[in-house]
Parts: sequence; structure tokens; C-alpha cells
Amino acid sequence: GENVEQHPSTLSVQEGDSAVIKCTYSDSASNYFPWYKQELGKRPQLIIDIRSNVGEKKDQRIAVTLNKTAKHFSLHITETQPEDSAVYFCAASRDSWGKLQFGAGTQVVVTP
Amino acid sequence: NAGVTQTPKFQVLKTGQSMTLQCAQDMNHNSMYWYRQDPGMGLRLIYYSASEGTTDKGEVPNGYNVSRLNKREFSLRLESAAPSQTSVYFCASSEAGVNTEAFFGQGTRLTVV
Repeated sequence: GENVEQHPSTLSVQEGDSAVIKCTYSDSASNYFPWYKQELGKRPQLIIDIRSNVGEKKDQRIAVTLNKTAKHFSLHITETQPEDSAVYFCAASRDSWGKLQFGAGTQVVVTP
Repeated sequence: NAGVTQTPKFQVLKTGQSMTLQCAQDMNHNSMYWYRQDPGMGLRLIYYSASEGTTDKGEVPNGYNVSRLNKREFSLRLESAAPSQTSVYFCASSEAGVNTEAFFGQGTRLTVV
């Protein structure tokens, strides 16, 4: 089955700097790659997603890139703010009914 | 419009006790899921239901059973709780037929002593 690896497990950045989280996946048939943000004690919420027919997608300060050949995708957060502090999860899916395989998560801490 | 609602929010069980976690969604989604979240391990799929009347095992199904009661409701049952089942449990739902956003419930924090 699908295996998703996520790095780093923790990431500390200064406010205003950029943060990058990287994920690799094993199943070349995976075609949907969402990113979820989970604040402490809260539910995971989708922040951005990308499909395999697209190489890059951007939404304000957040962008995701996908390299299908290398089977990896990355989340980029620019101009980080304290409210960006959270755990971020990448995921991959090959099924049309949305069964997701998650990475282990990255704890992002933005320090003022 | 409540989205995905889970009950209870917190639960403490003794080893060997049984309980059912309830989940309901009001978004008319076909697909529903149960995940467990443990530190450093992300979210792991326990069971899923692609549509009403069907259920399938996920990555970590041992010790659990599920019921898709109707399109809205998907319950998770622990028949004989074990300390290894101490975790945060999330129910989620999504549309079927296309890969799209999964909406999560608020989670159930379960402790087995």
C-alpha cells in the first residue's frame, strides 16, 4: 500500500521567514495530495491540495509543489506569522472515494 | 450546518470494557472514515465506508468494528478495550467519486486504563 514520509518532524522559524515541509510517497498511482493544519486540541483542516495533473498551486502565503517523477511534494509557507504555529500533515490518495494515507506530521513553531 | 459531529469528546475506559464512538455528518457525503491519532504517527485509518452499506478495513483495524447505520452515521466499536487503544479518534467524511476535502469531527480522546 501507499507509504508517505514527511520531514522534518519539527521546524522552528523566525516570524517573517519561510517554512518548507517535504513529503515523499511510494505509490505512483496516487493522484491527490492534500495538506492539513491541526492547531493544538483542534481537528485537522484542509489548507491546500494539489492534483497530479498540476505541478504547483498557490494560495496567498501558502504554496504546494508536486514532482511526480520523483514522487515528492512540498508545502511552502512564506512570511510566517505566529498563527502559522501548528502541526501540518501531508497526505496522498489514489482512490476516488478519498481514502487518505497521512504523513507523521510536522510541528511548526513560529517565534516572534 | 454542523458538519461532522462526534460523541463523546472524552472517555475513560477500564481494560476489557466496551464502548461505541458515534459519528454523524450532515453534508450528504457518501464516504466516511475513522482515524486514530497517536504522537509521532500521524493519522492512521482504522476503517472506512465508501458508501452506505459498505465498510472496509484500513491500516489498523484490529480490535475495532464499525457500522454504517445509514448515509449520515458511522459508528466505531471497541469490543474489549486495551491500553494500546488509548488515542485520539477522528471521524471524517468526504464526497465520493472525486478526490476532495475530508472534513473531520472534533475528535474523541479515549484513555484505557
